[in-house]
Amino acid sequence: EIVLTQSPGTLSLSPGERATLSCRASPSVDSRYIAWYQQKAPQAPRLLIYGASVRATGIPDRFSGSVSGTDFTLTISRLEPEDFAVYFCQQYGGPITFGGGTKVEIK
Amino acid sequence: EVQLVQSGADVKKPGESLKISCRASGYTFTNYWIGWVRQMPGKGLEWMGIIYPGDSDTKYSPSFKGQVTISADKSLSTAYLHWGSLKASDTARYYCARHPNWGSPDYFDYWGQGIQVTVSS
Repeated sequence: EIVLTQSPGTLSLSPGERATLSCRASPSVDSRYIAWYQQKAPQAPRLLIYGASVRATGIPDRFSGSVSGTDFTLTISRLEPEDFAVYFCQQYGGPITFGGGTKVEIK
Repeated sequence: EVQLVQSGADVKKPGESLKISCRASGYTFTNYWIGWVRQMPGKGLEWMGIIYPGDSDTKYSPSFKGQVTISADKSLSTAYLHWGSLKASDTARYYCARHPNWGSPDYFDYWGQGIQVTVSS
């Protein structure tokens, strides 16, 4: 099973700041097979990024995904009030697994 | 417009059976995999399994194999998640979600609204 470890667990930031969320895969996974979701409880997750860096339809360009080795990053360039939520990464290079999530909260 | 509408939320007792459903619309149901994802209270997402309604090919996570049954009714464009004997530890919110591409595994582009299942004596 591919384990995804997300860090930090919680990110406390102010609107307008930059958010950097990390997701590390062990063992490694092909970078084509990473997705990111946003969830505002109790709503369903919303697809943000697939293929590690491709924005889903309708996702603002302040959201971006990147990869470096086994580390995957979701960056929100300037936080808007509606971006405060929990973010999950998912890998689909093998049987699907999700990371534990990062909560982005208002500082 | 693609929509996945879930139903079957319930409060059940341990040992009881339950089947929850996910009705799809806005696309050809038989051409896309539909999966089920569990979210326990305050926790993350867990992939349970997936079905291809076109031929009922089904794949389960090892963690859920034998614990639940996934099925689909093409005539109703509906996927199901069934428990034969619920446990208190099955208390969670359950989501159905669609793979956008032909193959599996894949990411999920559309999600149902989620259904809360509570198992308590």
